[in-house]
Amino acid sequence: QKEVEQNSGPLSVPEGAIASLNCTYSDRGSQSFFWYRQYSGKSPELIMSIYSNGDKEDGRFTAQLNKASQYVSLLIRDSQPSDSATYLCAVSNSGYSTLTFGKGTMLLVSP
Amino acid sequence: GAVVSQHPSWVICKSGTSVKIECRSLDFQATTMFWYRQFPKQSLMLMATSNEGSKATYEQGVEKDKFLINHASLTLSTLTVTSAHPEDSSFYICSARDRLEPQHFGDGTRLSIL
Repeated sequence: QKEVEQNSGPLSVPEGAIASLNCTYSDRGSQSFFWYRQYSGKSPELIMSIYSNGDKEDGRFTAQLNKASQYVSLLIRDSQPSDSATYLCAVSNSGYSTLTFGKGTMLLVSP
Repeated sequence: GAVVSQHPSWVICKSGTSVKIECRSLDFQATTMFWYRQFPKQSLMLMATSNEGSKATYEQGVEKDKFLINHASLTLSTLTVTSAHPEDSSFYICSARDRLEPQHFGDGTRLSIL
């Protein structure tokens, strides 16, 4: 049974701070890792994808992957109230396989 | 790019009704489409995977005769919830992918069965 674990939160940070979201996965064969943002009542929106160990930066977002520790994280710099949402971590074995989602971490950014 | 359109966005209907939900990839060819269901405060649960021109692959516990999936073209997949009952009320979301690209999601359909 493939599992993706996330702290459900809520994670509360003040505006301008760095938000750190974490995810662990059980399947060592996982190759592709994604972070999706989901606003309440809306569908998920792809934020970042990462495939190799290390950091990947895109604007205010940085994804970090450590396959040895089976750990992937998302850092959001200069957090804004509009970043308040649930962040879903998703993992797959390959580009052809299905995604396994975590339950998501709710992030609350206070003005 | 990578826009996925889902329609309708909201359905309210009586128990026993069949409901069809459409999912279209607008600017790319979706070799694979996925259908998810999400209950309140829960994560997305994959229902089925469909490849264009072939039968859908259903996840364990999902009734294929109740949730009919058709993926007739590279840009359109439909999910029909047959004889819907109140327990089928949920948020249904489709996603589409072109080969090795990440999945992109439609806006979802909120289904309420009275």
